[in-house]
Amino acid sequence: DAKTTQPPSMDCAEGRAANLPCNHSTISGNEYVYWYRQIHSQGPQYIIHGLKNNETNEMASLIITEDRKSSTLILPHATLRDTAVYYCIVRGLSGTYKYIFGTGTRLKVLA
Amino acid sequence: VTQTPKFRVLKTGQSMTLLCAQDMNHEYMYWYRQDPGLGLRQIYYSMNVEVTDKGDVPEGYKVSRKEKRNFPLILESPSPNQTSLYFCASSYGTGGSEQYFGPGTRLTVT
Repeated sequence: DAKTTQPPSMDCAEGRAANLPCNHSTISGNEYVYWYRQIHSQGPQYIIHGLKNNETNEMASLIITEDRKSSTLILPHATLRDTAVYYCIVRGLSGTYKYIFGTGTRLKVLA
Repeated sequence: VTQTPKFRVLKTGQSMTLLCAQDMNHEYMYWYRQDPGLGLRQIYYSMNVEVTDKGDVPEGYKVSRKEKRNFPLILESPSPNQTSLYFCASSYGTGGSEQYFGPGTRLTVT
């Protein structure tokens, strides 16, 4: 499974869009990009995932570059409740069942 | 996904089973531990009843999967380095499926 690189921390003003980047330059053709977040010490929460097309759901949008070497999670109107650690994970359809979470990006939404 | 207990303090060598149950009829279940600065690390996973395999940090742990809904994590002789926050998760499949996490068990071994 490909390794991901994320900035350790980011700040965002409340009501503004939060754009969280992730580099996954060794991603292979059948690997998905997943995003999870963890608020305090709660269990991680699934946000969104995608293969090559951009994806949007009620929580966020996922933009994947054409070469698939990087992606951006967008929270369109960040609120204080979006303060959390955000994890970008790359995972294939087959192979091992290991999910490598890494240390993520700590997003702080400021009032 | 439910986990019990929420908190527990053990003495070294005092065996303990962390319970995990899911009611979503998921095939796959996972155990993770989370430690400061190290993120979430996978301990064991299960692809179906009676089918389990090691993750990245299996030492000192055992698992069993006798029923689809339950995936207990067994610490037969805990040591202080197993003090951690433990999460259980389940998913319908693997590659294209999201994982659903339980609320966690905070375990302290003294």
